[in-house]
Amino acid sequence: DAKTTQPNSMESNEEEPVHLPCNHSTISGTDYIHWYRQLPSQGPEYVIHGLTSNVNNRMASLAIAEDRKSSTLILHRATLRDAAVYYCILRGSNQFYFGTGTSLTVIP
Amino acid sequence: EPEVTQTPSHQVTQMGQEVILRCVPISNHLYFYWYRQILGQKVEFLVSFYNNEISEKSEIFDDQFSVERPDGSNFTLKIRSTKLEDSAMYFCAREAGQGNTGELFFGEGSRLTVL
Repeated sequence: DAKTTQPNSMESNEEEPVHLPCNHSTISGTDYIHWYRQLPSQGPEYVIHGLTSNVNNRMASLAIAEDRKSSTLILHRATLRDAAVYYCILRGSNQFYFGTGTSLTVIP
Repeated sequence: EPEVTQTPSHQVTQMGQEVILRCVPISNHLYFYWYRQILGQKVEFLVSFYNNEISEKSEIFDDQFSVERPDGSNFTLKIRSTKLEDSAMYFCAREAGQGNTGELFFGEGSRLTVL
């Protein structure tokens, strides 16, 4: 499975932007970059995904480096409900493996 | 778009007993997945299922595990003879579309406790 590297934990103040980094230096040309999050006691929840271009949706933005070896998930205004573990995953066909993710703490 | 529904939400069983966990996705989707998460650990891939056949499975998915879609709707994970280490949350997921490169929608999970 393709590997991703994320910081174990991050903190953010409420209502401030959060930038969650992910390194994936072994990404292949056909791998999509996916982000999921898992709130306490819940199943994983889809956040966003992309291939080469930056992506925006109602939940977040995804900034992908030009060489695709890293990406950043951007939460524009963190809320207390955004406290979760965020997973960066490379997806090629049926392969979909979670790493340990980044545990985001939002400080009121 | 709705996610999947999993039953039971919590099951307690004795070691050595058979357990069946069920997942009810939207019937016209083709790709389904089972994952598990042992308490405090990461989400682990078990198996992917496409068009009524196993597409890929992990090392965890040994002969004690099986999956099927018996009636074209329910998608089940069976553990034949449960062990203590099978205690975990089990998540079912389906593809958002008809392909296998898009997003997955996960259920709320079934908590299995093996005594």
